Amino acid sequence: NAGVTQTPKFQVLKTGQSMTLQCAQDMNHNSMYWYRQDPGMGLRLIYYSASEGTTDKGEVPNGYNVSRLNKREFSLRLESAAPSQTSVYFCATRMNTEAFFGQGTRLTVV
Amino acid sequence: EDKVVQSPLSLVVHEGDTVTLNCSYEVTNFRSLLWYKQEKKAPTFLFMLTSSGIEKKSGRLSSILDKKELFSILNITATQTGDSAVYLCAVAVGNQFYFGTGTSLTVIP
Repeated sequence: NAGVTQTPKFQVLKTGQSMTLQCAQDMNHNSMYWYRQDPGMGLRLIYYSASEGTTDKGEVPNGYNVSRLNKREFSLRLESAAPSQTSVYFCATRMNTEAFFGQGTRLTVV
Repeated sequence: EDKVVQSPLSLVVHEGDTVTLNCSYEVTNFRSLLWYKQEKKAPTFLFMLTSSGIEKKSGRLSSILDKKELFSILNITATQTGDSAVYLCAVAVGNQFYFGTGTSLTVIP
């Protein structure tokens, strides 16, 4: 019973490099989210997807792109990483009004 | 602008103490309020509240929602070192969740 699975768990990037964070869920939920968590800032929404094939910007979308190719998977892409994107990234799904989180990806951009 | 405010930002108590964590919100289209506990990794679900005045309990933890005054409290009685964590409050609005910044609780033996 995996729930929400994120990969990788840790990543170090150099400024300007690109990478994709992967998220997959096996709960058959329609809505999926990407958050970043920084000290003192709480969880801030980057992008969300209300259903397969649709995506919308959240509070802090700049520097990110997302892709929801199917119901299970929602990926987050950093095209040109910047030190300001050093953070912990969480993927989440939603069932009614409850959120379910992946274990997080700790990303450091040097 | 929708927002969720938690207080205090941090709290240090001794084992056995009782603590009250606060969450106030200003949102349109409120659907529910959720409490999560976050230790080193992902937030774990504690409570979901949708109706005013109905207390939810789980062991030493309890929570209640006041939809008129737009706030919720999370109580932890007889605290233990294992309660040390960040407690997050979130409000479900439309398709989104709005999170507070969290309250960091440290319980000293």
